[in-house]
Amino acid sequence: GNSVTQMEGPVTLSEEAFLTINCTYTATGYPSLFWYVQYPGEGLQLLLKATKADDKGSNKGFEATYRKETTSFHLEKGSVQVSDSAVYFCALSGGGSSASKIIFGSGTRLSIRP
Amino acid sequence: KAGVTQTPRYLIKTRGQQVTLSCSPISGHRSVSWYQQTPGQGLQFLFEYFSETQRNKGNFPGRFSGRQFSNSRSEMNVSTLELGDSALYLCASSLASGMETQYFGPGTRLLVL
Repeated sequence: GNSVTQMEGPVTLSEEAFLTINCTYTATGYPSLFWYVQYPGEGLQLLLKATKADDKGSNKGFEATYRKETTSFHLEKGSVQVSDSAVYFCALSGGGSSASKIIFGSGTRLSIRP
Repeated sequence: KAGVTQTPRYLIKTRGQQVTLSCSPISGHRSVSWYQQTPGQGLQFLFEYFSETQRNKGNFPGRFSGRQFSNSRSEMNVSTLELGDSALYLCASSLASGMETQYFGPGTRLLVL
């Protein structure tokens, strides 16, 4: 079945450092891909998405490109801030399974030092 | 536009009891999905409701059930609670079934003692 694998955390960086969180997926078709963020004590917020190959999703300085050839959707940010500290989830829907059912990775906890 | 709301936000129950959680979707959204989040299993899909009908179901026992009302509000029920049911239960809404962009509520944190 479809699955998502993302790099394990925690990831600790200094403010203004470059961030990469790796994510790869397995799907039989052409899924939509997402990054969600969860701040302490809160639900999930959609950070960005891409619905077809070579699409780039971007929001709040974060970017991720849908790479079909490497089945990847890595999250990047050029200069992180303390306020970016949260848990980040890579996810997919569709691609051989119901578009209504989101399959999540295990999450990567990010901590940013001032 | 108001977001997805879930009530209650926190709940403590004992084993064997049952619990009902409520979710109100974003205005105009007609699909509601439920997810369970635990440290061990991560985020897992429970079920989806659209037009008062269950459209998709995850791999959870029959103790987990839900329903949706004509105003798209949804409830989730867990009967005969077990310790392992302690989790954050998240509700998400989307415009329609099959729409991949879902918007999540803040969750209901359930503790089973």
